[in-house]
Amino acid sequence: GESVGLHLPTLSVQEGDNSIINCAYSNSASDYFIWYKQESGKGPQFIIDIRSNMDKRQGQRVTVLLNKTVKHLSLQIAATQPGDSAVYFCAENLYTGGFKTIFGAGTRLFVKA
Amino acid sequence: EAQVTQNPRYLITVTGKKLTVTCSQNMNHEYMSWYRQDPGLGLRQIYYSMNVEVTDKGDVPEGYKVSRKEKRNFPLILESPSPNQTSLYFCASGLVAGTDQPQHFGDGTRLSIL
Repeated sequence: GESVGLHLPTLSVQEGDNSIINCAYSNSASDYFIWYKQESGKGPQFIIDIRSNMDKRQGQRVTVLLNKTVKHLSLQIAATQPGDSAVYFCAENLYTGGFKTIFGAGTRLFVKA
Repeated sequence: EAQVTQNPRYLITVTGKKLTVTCSQNMNHEYMSWYRQDPGLGLRQIYYSMNVEVTDKGDVPEGYKVSRKEKRNFPLILESPSPNQTSLYFCASGLVAGTDQPQHFGDGTRLSIL
């Protein structure tokens, strides 16, 4: 079916450590994946994306990995900072006669100082 | 400043009283969309629009209407609101109507239907 899920609803890490947030998707037709960050009282904010013809993409302190074999997506945040505390959503875009976006339930990241 | 603006940010109303949440973007984006966010369910797509006069249903369209008469505006209309439509709503826009585009989100509208 068309669903995007997350393995862990909350993640707590020490400041300076690396964070890994995981996401499973079920629609093999999805061709574009995005990670969004949502801070309290704000709308989701784009972090990084990856197309289905790639397996890794790096940004500034963030890396997204895509494993199409097991339909798994992950977001890695290097040297996690207090400002990284937020809810993180993975999302997939797919064409179903129109362009739809399906979001996962979200993972809350706590960064301990 | 490039942004997606939603109004109102907060609204408490009663069952059956028609309401409209406005959404406007100043980035000349083709694609616009509405989502609702409920605890534990993430964001679910209500309606989206590929361009002016082109709209389509998302995953949870029941009880909602939209229109796209102008490129910059995409209002969400609840003709007869019910308590199960109490939620946090987000409008978003994307540069073009393609699958490889991220979306820009407004800061949300919290609706309470009593």
